[in-house]
Amino acid sequence: DIQLTQSPSSLSASVGDRVTITCRASQGISNYLAWYHQKPGKVPKLLIYGASTLQSGVPSRFSGSGSGTDFTLTISSLQPEDVATYYCQKYNSALETFGQGTKVEIK
Amino acid sequence: EVQLVESGGGLVQPGGSLKLSCATSGFTFSNYWMHWVRQAPGKGLVWVSRIKTDGSYTSYADSVKGRFTMSRDNAKNTVYLQMNSLRAEDTALYYCTSLYTSDYWGQGTLVTVSS
Repeated sequence: DIQLTQSPSSLSASVGDRVTITCRASQGISNYLAWYHQKPGKVPKLLIYGASTLQSGVPSRFSGSGSGTDFTLTISSLQPEDVATYYCQKYNSALETFGQGTKVEIK
Repeated sequence: EVQLVESGGGLVQPGGSLKLSCATSGFTFSNYWMHWVRQAPGKGLVWVSRIKTDGSYTSYADSVKGRFTMSRDNAKNTVYLQMNSLRAEDTALYYCTSLYTSDYWGQGTLVTVSS
């Protein structure tokens, strides 16, 4: 089974900072990768699909890149409302998997 | 307005069974693959299963394969998860969702497996 490893597991950054989260697949998954965030006590929300396509209504400060095994989610200017846990998810095969999550906090 | 409403969760003893339902409205249900995703208390998201638009194909996480069965009724706009041989580690909030195809999520139904 293909595993997804996110890094870091948590981070603390200041408002306005550029934040980068990486997701590495143990085998190539083309661009079949999505990113979600889950705010405390809330339902997860889709941010990016197809590795780089922004979901409708998601602020443009979020962007995704990568293909194959290495993927990145970038928040260009961290806002207080971005405090959440971020997950990548692969969907290239019968077994769909989430990464373990990255908790983002404000410094 | 899109709505997904899960039901059927509760307290069950190890080895027991539960059947979850997810009633949907506000979108063309029969056009979407549907998924179950679970989240144990304080833990991350775990993909559980998925079902094709017409119900002809399903796939499952290794941790539930052979114990859980996902199905759907497109006439009722409802998806189901039959859970058998439940274990303590199945304790979680169970969400039905369309995931990456359109980001529809229910609020979840809590399953607690405990004696």
